[in-house]
Amino acid sequence: GAVVSQHPSRVICKSGTSVKIECRSLDFQATTMFWYRQFPKKSLMLMATSNEGSKATYEQGVEKDKFLINHASLTLSTLTVTSAHPEDSSFYICSAGTGPLNTEAFFGQGTRLTVV
Amino acid sequence: AQKITQTQPGMFVQEKEAVTLDCTYDTSDPSYGLFWYKQPSSGEMIFLIYQGSYDQQNATEGRYSLNFQKARKSANLVISASQLGDSAMYFCAMRLNQAGTALIFGKGTTLSVSS
Repeated sequence: GAVVSQHPSRVICKSGTSVKIECRSLDFQATTMFWYRQFPKKSLMLMATSNEGSKATYEQGVEKDKFLINHASLTLSTLTVTSAHPEDSSFYICSAGTGPLNTEAFFGQGTRLTVV
Repeated sequence: AQKITQTQPGMFVQEKEAVTLDCTYDTSDPSYGLFWYKQPSSGEMIFLIYQGSYDQQNATEGRYSLNFQKARKSANLVISASQLGDSAMYFCAMRLNQAGTALIFGKGTTLSVSS
C-alpha cells in the first residue's frame, strides 16, 4: 500500500524556537495532505488542509501564523511550529490520500513535540 | 456538519472473546466513507476497515467486521477472537466523497484485552 513518511518522530525544543515537521508521500502523488493534532488519550483534531501549490486551509481556532504549512510539491508538505511554547507540546500527525474515493487514508508515523 | 460519536471511553474483553465498539455518525450527504483505525501506544494510525455509504454488504477484513446500519447511522466495529495485541485505542472516522475532504474522527475507545 501507499506509504507516508513523517519526520522527525520525536523532537524536543526550547521555548521560542521553531520546529519543522515533514510529511512525504513516498510512492504516490498527494495533491492534498492533512495535518492533525492529538493530545494524550484524545481524538485527532484537524488543524489544516494542505494543498499543493496553494495556501493551506486552516480550521477555526488554528493560528495560521503559528502553524505554517507549505506544500511545495506533490510529495512533500511541511508544518512549522513557530515560536514554540510548552502548550504547543502535542502529537502531530499528517495524512494523505490519492483521491476522494480512495478507500484508505494514509498516515505518517506522527511527531511527538515537546517544548521545554 | 459531519460528526462522529463514540460513546464508550473504555472497553474490556478477555482473550478469544468478541467485542463490539460502537460508532454513530451524522451527515446529510449521501456519499461518504466510514473508517476504523487502531492506534497503539506508539501513536501510528493503523487502518482496519472501510465501508462505503453505498456498499450493500458489511465490510469484513480478517477478524474485523463492520456492522453497518445505514438507517440508524451506525457503523460498529466487531473484533472477533480478541488477542492481547488488540489492546489499543480505536477510532471511528468519516470522510465525505468529495475531493480534498479530511477524515473526521470520533473521540475513540480504549480497548483492553486481558488473558
